[in-house]
Amino acid sequence: ILNVEQSPQSLHVQEGDSTNFTCSFPSSNFYALHWYRWETAKSPEALFVMTLNGDEKKKGRISATLNTKEGYSYLYIKGSQPEDSATYLCAPTGNQFYFGTGTSLTVIP
Amino acid sequence: KAGVTQTPRYLIKTRGQQVTLSCSPISGHRSVSWYQQTPGQGLQFLFEYFSETQRNKGNFPGRFSGRQFSNSRSEMNVSTLELGDSALYLCASSALAGANPGGTDTQYFGPGTRLTVL
Repeated sequence: ILNVEQSPQSLHVQEGDSTNFTCSFPSSNFYALHWYRWETAKSPEALFVMTLNGDEKKKGRISATLNTKEGYSYLYIKGSQPEDSATYLCAPTGNQFYFGTGTSLTVIP
Repeated sequence: KAGVTQTPRYLIKTRGQQVTLSCSPISGHRSVSWYQQTPGQGLQFLFEYFSETQRNKGNFPGRFSGRQFSNSRSEMNVSTLELGDSALYLCASSALAGANPGGTDTQYFGPGTRLTVL
């Protein structure tokens, strides 16, 4: 079992603010790190998958970085919009996906 | 391409009963994984099937079982239901095994089945 920690647990920001969250995981036996966005009443949606130390991925206003040596990944949202409100899950993979409990983001208009 | 579908979407059962949930993966995907989500918990991995074989199993009691058919559709069964089994059950499909090789294969999730045990 791989212990995955995400912080903060929840976050409220004003529309237009930029924000970031952290995913921490043991760096041994690491294969890849996935980020998902999970909106209420919908299915989790894949955002990024990263494998290499120093990897950076970007999708619109959302970006992510990976540090495999120290075992963490950051997810950044620039200029948050109400439609960004969701729970953001990270999942490092070993022989399976190990999901964290997520960061719940609420963007206040 | 049609997405991952799960049936039923909602289910109410009583303690001691058994339940079967169904998952149809994206066409061409051979791997199906099942997860349980309860309040305050992350997605807890139940098991993964690939080409009709269980490849990996999470830390759940034997009351939880599954299978996969030759068309990659999967079913999950929970016997002797307990109140604590009330949860959202998600399945996810991927082209290859969920985390092997290399761990980069994306999982695509269905909408889930909400199980309530009374």
